[in-house]
Amino acid sequence: QSVLTQPPSASGTPGQRVTISCSGSNSNFGSYTVDWYQQLPGTAPKVLICNNNQRPSGVPDRFSGSKSGTSASLTISGLQSEDEADYYCSAWDDSLQGWVFGGGTKLTVL
Amino acid sequence: QVQLQQSGPGLVKPSQTLSLTCAISGDSVSSKRVAWNWIRQSPSRGLEWLGRTYYRSKWNNDYTLSVKSRITINPDTSKNQFSLQLNSVTPEDTAVYYCARNMGGTLDYWGQGTLVTVSS
Repeated sequence: QSVLTQPPSASGTPGQRVTISCSGSNSNFGSYTVDWYQQLPGTAPKVLICNNNQRPSGVPDRFSGSKSGTSASLTISGLQSEDEADYYCSAWDDSLQGWVFGGGTKLTVL
Repeated sequence: QVQLQQSGPGLVKPSQTLSLTCAISGDSVSSKRVAWNWIRQSPSRGLEWLGRTYYRSKWNNDYTLSVKSRITINPDTSKNQFSLQLNSVTPEDTAVYYCARNMGGTLDYWGQGTLVTVSS
């Protein structure tokens, strides 16, 4: 049972907009920023969004993030076939004194 | 560009010690701006942060409670790397293990991952 809650799956067709939610608590989202990671099969997670809504260099602007209170979301606009991957949210947790992750959302591009 | 290169055995016997190393290039294990983490991933437990080491005016470690009695993360300044030791492993410790750097609130660079299977 992951500390952060994500839907297990999401899907969309090419060109669509898809939003993935992530729910936390005061001990993580209430005090710290949220990061989002993309994991392609057989590879390590790669940071997609950091500090709630910032894109590292090289990440397409189709990816955006937001946070409000103890909830966060990742939005992918103009969905592409190469976006098919697992997506994870993450934050530091004050109570656990460590990083916590969501259970992951498997995105399928139909 | 920071790169993390992991090494270590992929098969460990139950009750023995899992040992992995993460070699750092493009940064220093002694940097006061970052911390060096170990994370594992399995189908049953998902992504699980295990612990970290970092240098400020002295070396510090943080470990997750579930493995705190069995884990050691050590820096090696002479080789610019850090290591993970997990004692008394069981099949439940079977996972892909990753090393990662965090700067501020983000795990921004990850190693390639090492599948470690605990089996006799």
